[in-house]
Amino acid sequence: DAGITQSPRHKVTETGTPVTLRCHQTENHRYMYWYRQDPGHGLRLIHYSYGVKDTDKGEVSDGYSVSRSKTEDFLLTLESATSSQTSVYFCAVGEGGPNYGYTFGSGTRLTVV
Amino acid sequence: GENVEQHPSTLSVQEGDSAVIKCTYSDSASNYFPWYKQELGKRPQLIIDIRSNVGEKKDQRIAVTLNKTAKHFSLHITETQPEDSAVYFCAASRWNQGGKLIFGQGTELSVKP
Repeated sequence: DAGITQSPRHKVTETGTPVTLRCHQTENHRYMYWYRQDPGHGLRLIHYSYGVKDTDKGEVSDGYSVSRSKTEDFLLTLESATSSQTSVYFCAVGEGGPNYGYTFGSGTRLTVV
Repeated sequence: GENVEQHPSTLSVQEGDSAVIKCTYSDSASNYFPWYKQELGKRPQLIIDIRSNVGEKKDQRIAVTLNKTAKHFSLHITETQPEDSAVYFCAASRWNQGGKLIFGQGTELSVKP
């Protein structure tokens, strides 16, 4: 697979604090994505990147920002965490480019209290 | 933007029966339709995909059909086994939008021995 590592795997944080989740890949794939998974909503796209410093918003981007300063790392930041951002966050890599399947990371379970 | 609806949300079958999950999409320009399987506590994994120039694709016990006119596609699993129990997600994307996949809400399939 694309050698995707997400960190941390679990995190509990307080409302109002900033949180950064990291996605690291080892195979220089151009396309990377952040999704959140909530019961009844499936997987919803937060932000994606199509190259270093090239990012765009997804379906549910409010309250989130991203950065990609290196091909291998895609960071997701919750600027001021809220309880509605309690979720499982998945990073994905598009190994073949657009219109090819993703490989997902193992996910980060974030709880905002 | 694209919207993907998936039905049913839960599906229970006896071992050996067939299972069918259906998805509809809204964007007629979408041309890539993957299916993912997610076992409990695990990451989603790609099991089969289809592109808009093909009407049907099979891989052993699973198949996907696509009706572009009606804008719907379906996953068919034959001779179901208990290890097929999982949540299944459909998704859609178009080639010129950075490969971003829009997912359906998921179907929880339970195969009873």
